Amino acid sequence: QSALTQPPSASGSPGQSVTISCTGTSSDVGAYNYVSWYQQHPGKTPELIIYEVTERPSGVPDRFSGSKSGNTASLTVSGLQVEDEADYYCYSHAGTYNVFGTGTKVTVL
Amino acid sequence: EVQLVESGGGLVQPGGSLRLSCAASGLTLSGHWMHWVRQAPGKGLVWVSRISNDGSSRSYTDSVKGRFTISRDNAKKTLYLQMNSLRAEDTAVYYCVRGGEYSYKPTDYWGQGTLVTVSS
Repeated sequence: QSALTQPPSASGSPGQSVTISCTGTSSDVGAYNYVSWYQQHPGKTPELIIYEVTERPSGVPDRFSGSKSGNTASLTVSGLQVEDEADYYCYSHAGTYNVFGTGTKVTVL
Repeated sequence: EVQLVESGGGLVQPGGSLRLSCAASGLTLSGHWMHWVRQAPGKGLVWVSRISNDGSSRSYTDSVKGRFTISRDNAKKTLYLQMNSLRAEDTAVYYCVRGGEYSYKPTDYWGQGTLVTVSS
């Protein structure tokens, strides 16, 4: 039940793209297409932005996209905006449990 | 208003117990898996526990197994987390989270959280 591994930080200028990786194992990320991504602004509760690897809940801009290859999932934020500065967490179903990633702080330069 | 409201947090000594509650308002819990997620001050999100729609299936993260018990009362629209043998490392904001109809379905509603502080 180890946390999924994410880079501690990522950054980009407005309009650029940033990609965050989420590395798990063949028991979690690699085993299921049930990876979600959450965005959390300081002092706020997390908000779901991607589910089932690539799906976006209604209301989430299409600037946010997800993908997966093997044991690693990725979140790409295209056309970075100031309001995208936040913490991002991946989350995976793992059969008998669920597990979050370590979190990535995205800074908009 | 649609919301999940947690209660029961507070300051407790190491080795002590607390029972968290999560009451649903304006939304149903029955038919949904429910989760507890915690976040230590300045730290990341950690999945703690989940319970099936009917309460027949429960699972926990390794660090709380044998100490925490999740339960639910669908008639009262309330989720619970009984926390025993509390340790300093259990200090965190505890969020109640509504999942989907299956354990792997995404979450939709989060409560605002209740702070648990374990300290002497």
